[in-house]
Amino acid sequence: EEQLVESGGGLVQPGGSLRLSCAASGFPFSAYWMHWVRQAPGRGLVWVSRIDNEGRSITYADSVKGRFTISRDNAKDTLYLQMNSLRADDTAVYYCARGVAGARHFDLWGRGTLVTVSS
Amino acid sequence: QYALTQPPSASGSPGQSVTISCTGTSSDVGHYEYVSWYQQYPGKAPKLMIYEVSKRPSGVPDRFSGSKSGNTASLTVSGLQAEDEADYYCCSYAGSSNVFGTGTKVTVL
Repeated sequence: EEQLVESGGGLVQPGGSLRLSCAASGFPFSAYWMHWVRQAPGRGLVWVSRIDNEGRSITYADSVKGRFTISRDNAKDTLYLQMNSLRADDTAVYYCARGVAGARHFDLWGRGTLVTVSS
Repeated sequence: QYALTQPPSASGSPGQSVTISCTGTSSDVGHYEYVSWYQQYPGKAPKLMIYEVSKRPSGVPDRFSGSKSGNTASLTVSGLQAEDEADYYCCSYAGSSNVFGTGTKVTVL
């Protein structure tokens, strides 16, 4: 069964850091672009970042540029999101999603991991 | 933060149809044939319902259909069923990024 499982969320103080992981299974992880999408409580989906299948092409939403770093380890079938200088408005459920034909749409999603930024 | 514009809510009785609009710009919806739609139940992950404007993934009922005209895409749910009550989000490829819509809550009366 194809699956994405996020982990690493939790409570962090403003200005702090957190690293999220997304473990993939059931499909050839190294063949796909991967994305992070977040959803603040009671709000809509917001695209955060994407990385190509080899980790060479990376883009970010303006709201996280310079603070978040996306990466992947194809040997471990795992996607990461390093989040630094966290702010209250980064509070959200973070989903990893598999991109089809790079970034045309997302056909597989994880269940998400909640990040809460609060003092 | 920029987002595609969707109506906050839409509703219909069982068996009726409901159409949700998704308005962007000539840099996203109007430029690419890569509009997708996602269904999300409370507390659950989104599910792909439509991709590349009007294509349905395997397993999605043909009651769901998509279209696009200019900078506006649309999702139509025909023959509404109770299980269709959910939040729906459009999304467009925009070159160096992807952009989601503001979301529409569909209520089955």
